[in-house]
Amino acid sequence: GENVEQHPSTLSVQEGDSAVIKCTYSDSASNYFPWYKQELGKRPQLIIDIRSNVGEKKDQRIAVTLNKTAKHFSLHITETQPEDSAVYFCAASYSSASKIIFGSGTRLSIRP
Amino acid sequence: DAGITQSPRHKVTETGTPVTLRCHQTENHRYMYWYRQDPGHGLRLIHYSYGVKDTDKGEVSDGYSVSRSKTEDFLLTLESATSSQTSVYFCAISESQGSNQPQHFGDGTRLSIL
Repeated sequence: GENVEQHPSTLSVQEGDSAVIKCTYSDSASNYFPWYKQELGKRPQLIIDIRSNVGEKKDQRIAVTLNKTAKHFSLHITETQPEDSAVYFCAASYSSASKIIFGSGTRLSIRP
Repeated sequence: DAGITQSPRHKVTETGTPVTLRCHQTENHRYMYWYRQDPGHGLRLIHYSYGVKDTDKGEVSDGYSVSRSKTEDFLLTLESATSSQTSVYFCAISESQGSNQPQHFGDGTRLSIL
């Protein structure tokens, strides 16, 4: 079945350094890739998304890259800050239905 | 923030009892989704709706049913609750087809089955 793999499951970086989270997907027809941030006890919130007609998208300190040939996409956070500590989820659209499949999440911790 | 209200926010109940969770939206969005979130599994789709009275199964639909009698409300029912259904349940909405548009989440319902 359709699947989204996300790595790493946990990530700890020094404040000010960069963080990278990687995801791979199995459905070659997937064309929409959102990223969500979830703080402890809160709801997932969309932070950035990308569609298959572009290879990269940036929003301030956050960027997402997409490689359709290899079927993987990545989230890059630069100049990390304490408020970036959260669980991050990638997702990919599922071509045969009106839904998306989520990765299992990455717990990002920012060390002061 | 998207106008999504989930109720109740917390519930504790016993094995074998029926449970209904409600998702109410004020955005007039066509698509609504129910997910469960468990450690190590991310968000898994239970059921979704693409219009009034139009629903379909997700990847973990066994033991759950849904109903959507009007645009703003999407109900999730656990027909006979089991301990394996202890989880956090999130509702989400999207304006158009969810495979190409952002989904926005409610605040979740924490359900414990004893």
